[in-house]
Amino acid sequence: KAGVTQTPRYLIKTRGQQVTLSCSPISGHRSVSWYQQTPGQGLQFLFEYFSETQRNKGNFPGRFSGRQFSNSRSEMNVSTLELGDSALYLCASSRRSQGIGTGELFFGEGSRLTVL
Amino acid sequence: DQQVKQNSPSLSVQEGRISILNCDYTNSMFDYFLWYKKYPAEGPTFLISISSIKDKNEDGRFTVFLNKSAKHLSLHIVPSQPGDSAVYFCAASETGANNLFFGTGTRLTVIP
Repeated sequence: KAGVTQTPRYLIKTRGQQVTLSCSPISGHRSVSWYQQTPGQGLQFLFEYFSETQRNKGNFPGRFSGRQFSNSRSEMNVSTLELGDSALYLCASSRRSQGIGTGELFFGEGSRLTVL
Repeated sequence: DQQVKQNSPSLSVQEGRISILNCDYTNSMFDYFLWYKKYPAEGPTFLISISSIKDKNEDGRFTVFLNKSAKHLSLHIVPSQPGDSAVYFCAASETGANNLFFGTGTRLTVIP
């Protein structure tokens, strides 16, 4: 069974540019979440989608956005990149329709974004 | 505002000894706690969890203890093995929530 797939794995952008990251969840998983990992802050929740609807959003500026498609694949976009956006962006999928429960978040390997 | 805190960035333990990783939280609404393990260049993988109705959960070499009054949980690994060397993240959530609050992680090094 294929795991969560994220593309691209690595990318370098400059300040002011925008970036789109992609996530394909495990087959059958309808919930997709995005997290930002930085050395000082650990993993911070960005947003969660279920059946193409954003159900929850973390405390990030509006430059961070996302969407989910009918096949459960998800994308996140960051516009007007800042140096502080350099981070590992992790996508996680879950088969549960509601609640975390028993640790059923399956993470991808992440997309490492460097902003110069 | 970090609602889940791991105050030890790193821990080194001899192979065969016990590793104890600690985690504190501030939000009394959290009722589900998890530990994830992360190797370099890989995503976090679920290790063990505990519900707030319990104070201990055991899975092989891994045991998680929860002290609700102190808002503290710990992960015990006995015996520690070199393959346990990784970054361990503590996480918490509320009932029905679809997101986790993570700590900043503790890097465990098990010395052969």
